[in-house]
Amino acid sequence: QKEVEQDPGPLSVPEGAIVSLNCTYSNSAFQYFMWYRQYSRKGPELLMYTYSSGNKEDGRFTAQVDKSSKYISLFIRDSQPSDSATYLCAMYDYKLSFGAGTTVTVRA
Amino acid sequence: DTGVSQDPRHKITKRGQNVTFRCDPISEHNRLYWYRQTLGQGPEFLTYFQNEAQLEKSRLLSDRFSAERPKGSFSTLEIQRTEQGDSAMYLCASSAAGVDNEKLFFGSGTQLSVL
Repeated sequence: QKEVEQDPGPLSVPEGAIVSLNCTYSNSAFQYFMWYRQYSRKGPELLMYTYSSGNKEDGRFTAQVDKSSKYISLFIRDSQPSDSATYLCAMYDYKLSFGAGTTVTVRA
Repeated sequence: DTGVSQDPRHKITKRGQNVTFRCDPISEHNRLYWYRQTLGQGPEFLTYFQNEAQLEKSRLLSDRFSAERPKGSFSTLEIQRTEQGDSAMYLCASSAAGVDNEKLFFGSGTQLSVL
């Protein structure tokens, strides 16, 4: 079993829809939870960062962490074609452990 | 641009050849990481440095792989006797030790193709 499991994609949604992305993990030592966005042939870019359980909102993006269930989510509201990318969840102890990524396409 | 810089962006080599990649981290970042990413997968940890000290190596890092960070600034990753299975994107990331050390900033990667 991998340390981090991410819901497989791909996801295709119409512009303006809400995108929901999810990951589960097994390592209780993880304290920091991130979402990275990766465009084709580019390195991952840090999108959202959360420490421990709770919610964090940044514009159209909301990250949720439930440590009791070992479950994290990312929601994208009012999705735009420019949000089309691969989204990677990642969790940190002394290094980042990544999920496999979910490719999202927002159709205009 | 003060981001993480990797060179080259692309490398095509024949099986059995040696290759070396370079990473220049964000200035004053103490930690430097190497990851490998294959198509359809997330990045996999290879190794990391704090300053010039290599603190951990993944089991993925076979004896053919060696990484250095001689002066605690740039780093090199060398692969000897390349195999087709080494074809992947090699990503470098850096972070500041202490505050915000969990925030890794990635370069654009070196895409390796072994023929």
